[in-house]
Amino acid sequence: KQEVTQIPAALSVPEGENLVLNCSFTDSAIYNLQWFRQDPGKGLTSLLLIQSSQREQTSGRLNASLDKSSGRSTLYIAASQPGDSATYLCAVSLGGSTLGRLYFGRGTQLTVWP
Amino acid sequence: GAGVSQSPSNKVTEKGKDVELRCDPISGHTALYWYRQSLGQGLEFLIYFQGNSAPDKSGLPSDRFSAERTGGSVSTLTIQRTQQEDSAVYLCASSLGGGAHNEQFFGPGTRLTVL
Repeated sequence: KQEVTQIPAALSVPEGENLVLNCSFTDSAIYNLQWFRQDPGKGLTSLLLIQSSQREQTSGRLNASLDKSSGRSTLYIAASQPGDSATYLCAVSLGGSTLGRLYFGRGTQLTVWP
Repeated sequence: GAGVSQSPSNKVTEKGKDVELRCDPISGHTALYWYRQSLGQGLEFLIYFQGNSAPDKSGLPSDRFSAERTGGSVSTLTIQRTQQEDSAVYLCASSLGGGAHNEQFFGPGTRLTVL
């Protein structure tokens, strides 16, 4: 069974800092990896999707990297802002019988203070 | 365009009652997923629909849970004889296709509270 772990569980930083969120997974045979953001009481917003053949994806101040062989991904947030405060979730999909099912980590709760 | 919508946004029910949760996927998306997010737990997969294929029900926690998808669009998740441990946020997602490489888009969720 695929296990997804996110470190740290919580992070509190001052505005303007660059920060890195970590995600690891036990089964390296993934099809893709998605990073999501979840605001309190809200659903999930997709941030970045990295296919298994890719090494990284960028969107604005966000950069996600994928090292499939070592089972790791990082989400880099540049010049953090208070509006970035949310829970960040990492999820992977496998092929085979599980098809598009996503396996989620428990998330990193980020607080950016002014 | 419109995203995934879910209703109701909140549902409070008494133990033992049946509840129905609704999901409207993004138009044109053939794949639909239900997940559950319990307090202190990660998101767990419940069920997956893809086109006219038989659904993957392997994530449903008990036979009190069932789901259907009518006309390849709207889906309803039904929980019979609700228990307090069913209290959670139920999230629906859809994707353009059913392959594992497709990006999933999530609705806002239904928060279910069983008293």
